[in-house]
Amino acid sequence: AQSVTQLGSHVSVSEGALVLLRCNYSSSVPPYLFWYVQYPNQGLQLLLKYTTGATLVKGINGFEAEFKKSETSFHLTKPSAHMSDAAEYFCAVGLGNNNDMRFGAGTRLTVKP
Amino acid sequence: SQTIHQWPATLVQPVGSPLSLECTVEGTSNPNLYWYRQAAGRGLQLLFYSVGIGQISSEVPQNLSASRPQDRQFILSSKKLLLSDSGFYLCAWSPGRRSMNTEAFFGQGTRLTVV
Repeated sequence: AQSVTQLGSHVSVSEGALVLLRCNYSSSVPPYLFWYVQYPNQGLQLLLKYTTGATLVKGINGFEAEFKKSETSFHLTKPSAHMSDAAEYFCAVGLGNNNDMRFGAGTRLTVKP
Repeated sequence: SQTIHQWPATLVQPVGSPLSLECTVEGTSNPNLYWYRQAAGRGLQLLFYSVGIGQISSEVPQNLSASRPQDRQFILSSKKLLLSDSGFYLCAWSPGRRSMNTEAFFGQGTRLTVV
């Protein structure tokens, strides 16, 4: 069965520093991978997704992620953190046949001034 | 464009009382519909999903049930709430089988506190 593991429940960076949020997946078929962001007491908003094609995916708000099949990873990065990036981030894998999604436990990003 | 509505935004209910959370989607037809629960400090747990009217799949045994009386309406219910039912409930939709592997779109969530 497909699943994702997010390494690190909390990540803290300084404003302007690199953001790296880690996600590893397990899938018996080619995966479809997603990163979502959640601000307090709100729903989830899609940041970016990988389905097929280019392995480096660019999303909204300056985020990007690279699908690495050999490492079964889909880490999320942003070159320079902004205070507004403070939120919870979820990695997800899609099962494909009925669009059922499995989410990681989430990583809370804190950005220090 | 498609929109998803979920209500209420917050709810405080006593133990043993019933629950009904409603979710509706506009601007699309035959969507897949989902209910997730997010407990404090934990990820999203898929509770139910539905690929059509009256078709409900349950992911985990629990005190909750779901129904889909109309194509774009998804309801989460309980006859008697438990303290452990407290959490943040999220409804989501995605295009049905004809559009595979697209993302899910989420409502704003309902924060349920059982007291």
